[in-house]
Amino acid sequence: ETGVTQSPTHLIKTRGQQVTLRCSSQSGHNTVSWYQQALGQGPQFIFQYYREEENGRGNFPPRFSGLQFPNYSSELNVNALELDDSALYLCASSLQGSANEKLFFGSGTQLSVL
Amino acid sequence: DQQVKQNSPSLSVQEGRISILNCDYTNSMFDYFLWYKKYPAEGPTFLISISSIKDKNEDGRFTVFLNKSAKHLSLHIVPSQPGDSAVYFCAASGYSSNTGKLIFGQGTTLQVKP
Repeated sequence: ETGVTQSPTHLIKTRGQQVTLRCSSQSGHNTVSWYQQALGQGPQFIFQYYREEENGRGNFPPRFSGLQFPNYSSELNVNALELDDSALYLCASSLQGSANEKLFFGSGTQLSVL
Repeated sequence: DQQVKQNSPSLSVQEGRISILNCDYTNSMFDYFLWYKKYPAEGPTFLISISSIKDKNEDGRFTVFLNKSAKHLSLHIVPSQPGDSAVYFCAASGYSSNTGKLIFGQGTTLQVKP
C-alpha cells in the first residue's frame, strides 16, 4: 500500500509567477484535500476534490485552483504568486464517507516566493 | 477568526512525566475533535480522536479529555518519552461534514527531555 506522495518537495518562485503542485493519493482513496501551513501556524483548509470536482473550499481566493484526475491524483495551481503564499502545502487523501481519522497526509511541498 | 486555539506554543517535560497539551474552540457546531502529531519534514499523522458524545477517550499512553461546556479539550501523554517530541495539532470538524475538512489549531511543540 503506497502512501500519499507530493512533488516537488521544495520550490522557489518569484512574485507574480504561477506554480503547480502535485499529489498522488493513497491506494484505495478517492478524495484529496489541500492545506496551506504558514510558518508557525496550523494547516489551513484550501479545498477538497472528489469525483474530479471541487467539493468544498476554504477562505482562499480564486487564484488557488485545483484538479483531480481519474486516477484520483490531484494538482494545486496558484496563479499570480504573492509573498504571503510562501508556506508548506500539504495534500491529504481519504475515502469519501470514511471517518475523519482516515485522513492521511503527504510530507508536503515547501514553497518559497521571493 | 481563529476557531481552534492552542495557546501554548511550546511545552517541555521530563521523560517519564505527564505531558498535557491544551486546545480551545469557539464554534459550538464542532462535534468531532482530533489530535495530530507532526515530525519535521513529515506530514501530520493521526494520533487520537474524540466525539462530542464522549468526555474521554484513551489509547495506550494517550488520553484526550473533552469539556463541552468550556469548549476545551486536552491531550495527556503518560509517561512521556523522548520520541514523543514533535509538534501536536488539535483539529475539529462537524461530524456531518465530509472527511478532510478540518480546522486546525496553531500547534504546540512538545520537547521531552531524557
